[in-house]
Amino acid sequence: SYELTQPPSVSVSPGQTARITCSGDALPEKFAYWYQQKPGQAPVMVIYKDNERPSGIPERFSGSSSGTTVTLTISGVQTGDEADYYCQSADSIGTYVVFGGGTKLTVL
Amino acid sequence: QVQLQESGPGLVKPSETLSLTCTVSGGSMSSYYWSWIRQPPGKGLEWIGYIYYSGSTNYNPSLKSRVTISVDTSKNQFSLKLSSVTAADTAVYYCARDGYSSSSPDHFFDYWGQGALVSVSS
Repeated sequence: SYELTQPPSVSVSPGQTARITCSGDALPEKFAYWYQQKPGQAPVMVIYKDNERPSGIPERFSGSSSGTTVTLTISGVQTGDEADYYCQSADSIGTYVVFGGGTKLTVL
Repeated sequence: QVQLQESGPGLVKPSETLSLTCTVSGGSMSSYYWSWIRQPPGKGLEWIGYIYYSGSTNYNPSLKSRVTISVDTSKNQFSLKLSSVTAADTAVYYCARDGYSSSSPDHFFDYWGQGALVSVSS
């Protein structure tokens, strides 16, 4: 079955830049989506189609893609950005939805 | 603003069937796909399956033999049934709107319910 691989955790200090990666063989052909999930809350989409930002999401959040890896970048990280982040895409045929295992962002 | 709300029993016995309903408000179900996603305590998100408003479905292969998703557009609801549950099915179950469209043929989730915790225990 198709898998998306994320690092379990990323730690940064306030004001620094956090980069969270997501790798998958089909990512050159399929868009990736990123969700932020804070404790006890439903996920919220922060990036769609690799690098587009939904309305209401701060410009500090950006996305990029290179080959089989997509990256979520959070610039000028704030303590309120501490959360779990999930990438999501689909298999190469676009039939099955897949989530990455999630990355816990800790703001030290 | 589209809103989704899950409802159903919070406790199910092993080997029985888990049933949840998602009520959609603030928008029509037409022309959209609707999904169920779950999250075991302390773990990541797992897509269960989706249904198109017209009734066509697609399920996660790992759950396909036990899952049924149905839709009732007259009530603005769609439902999940998961049979033969075990403790491994204990999770928060989310319903979500799938943003797939012919002009943007990707499945993604733009609106989510708050989630419903379902525990499997005797």
